[in-house]
Amino acid sequence: DTAVSQTPKYLVTQMGNDKSIKCEQNLGHDTMYWYKQDSKKFLKIMFSYNNKELIINETVPNRFSPKSPDKAHLNLHINSLELGDSAVYFCASSQNERDTQYFGPGTRLTVL
Amino acid sequence: AQSVTQLGSHVSVSEGALVLLRCNYSSSVPPYLFWYVQYPNQGLQLLLKYTSAATLVKGINGFEAEFKKSETSFHLTKPSAHMSDAAEYFCAVSDLTQGGSEKLVFGKGMKLTVNP
Repeated sequence: DTAVSQTPKYLVTQMGNDKSIKCEQNLGHDTMYWYKQDSKKFLKIMFSYNNKELIINETVPNRFSPKSPDKAHLNLHINSLELGDSAVYFCASSQNERDTQYFGPGTRLTVL
Repeated sequence: AQSVTQLGSHVSVSEGALVLLRCNYSSSVPPYLFWYVQYPNQGLQLLLKYTSAATLVKGINGFEAEFKKSETSFHLTKPSAHMSDAAEYFCAVSDLTQGGSEKLVFGKGMKLTVNP
């Protein structure tokens, strides 16, 4: 069973489009995260949710809107995509903020 | 705010040789420290973590790391490299946000190549 899953794995789209990435975890964790990994492999947190409530928003443009319909899901919607949004986006989850984070396989977003 | 330094971006070793990946963090207050590994086209996987218990931490796949407060370091080692160790390695430190939540701050990563 996959612990943290993301869909889609690859996403290629045009500038200006709106797209969503979905994340689900079956570990029963309370906390979920979105990270962005750029072309140089630098990994930076974007958002964190605990029990469906937003607890971290790391000065991400408001074109990015996370949504957590329940504890097991954290989706990422991106409006008006820009070239600079091209990256690999990772979802992760943990039992609490200090616990081990389990990462999904990533979604490679390419904006043309 | 915490920061993590991983000097260099690429380390190359021979199979069977010692692996040493360096990590230094910025805070004087001992944080939680982590090493994660990323295999090609995969997500990150925890190798080991330091949470203020033993200073020598053993992880998976024969890796270990030693927390040295005086040097603000948490270097990762493995006595004998295996071909399957080829991957990207990330050191991370816990940090507090302005809102009082905890987050992970990652180093820029180190690509390990293992030569036969």
